[in-house]
Amino acid sequence: GAGVSQSPRYKVAKRGQDVALRCDPISGHVSLFWYQQALGQGPEFLTYFQNEAQLDKSGLPSDRFFAERPEGSVSTLKIQRTQQEDSAVYLCASSGFSGANSFRTGELFFGEGSRLTVL
Amino acid sequence: RKEVEQDPGPFNVPEGATVAFNCTYSNSASQSFFWYRQDCRKEPKLLMSVYSSGNEDGRFTAQLNRASQYISLLIRDSKLSDSATYLCVVNTHGANAGKSTFGDGTTLTVKP
Repeated sequence: GAGVSQSPRYKVAKRGQDVALRCDPISGHVSLFWYQQALGQGPEFLTYFQNEAQLDKSGLPSDRFFAERPEGSVSTLKIQRTQQEDSAVYLCASSGFSGANSFRTGELFFGEGSRLTVL
Repeated sequence: RKEVEQDPGPFNVPEGATVAFNCTYSNSASQSFFWYRQDCRKEPKLLMSVYSSGNEDGRFTAQLNRASQYISLLIRDSKLSDSATYLCVVNTHGANAGKSTFGDGTTLTVKP
């Protein structure tokens, strides 16, 4: 499809397991963002890529969280040794075709999210 | 204190009502402002950008007061389909160039 695709949609992990969440952004989008959304709250910023460069990872809550986008398209968010407090929806968003006008439209296009439950 | 604060509601209004949501932000360096809509168990989607002069899109009007660091969204003639959570979003650049900070949202339920 033409939108942002995330997988898996649902993941149940036992505490201590490692998980990997995948994001396939809109083709050609330069920027890619990961957000964490807990129930009843707004999305919280985790990290941001421009092409393959991770320009901001200030929102990653601990060193158990790691994100990469090695070829500037698909991104993976990895959570090691999952804890119950990691249970949330992980949203990926992309934006900005390279080129001045599109880059300034400001719209973030979100995927449907990966819902992680840690038991 | 959160960087972006919204009244969580819920707002329960009848069809046809006018409803206003408020949002305040703490980072005076914020440059870009948006309202997103999020339906239950769905992803957020852009409703409208907010410009300094204020802007309107059909039944929706957004206002920005930089001096007070305050953003508002007005919905006129509410429809059942307007029921959703409305997220206020700010960015210190354009939304493509750095993190966007979201409020926790205001929930609107429009009833027949």
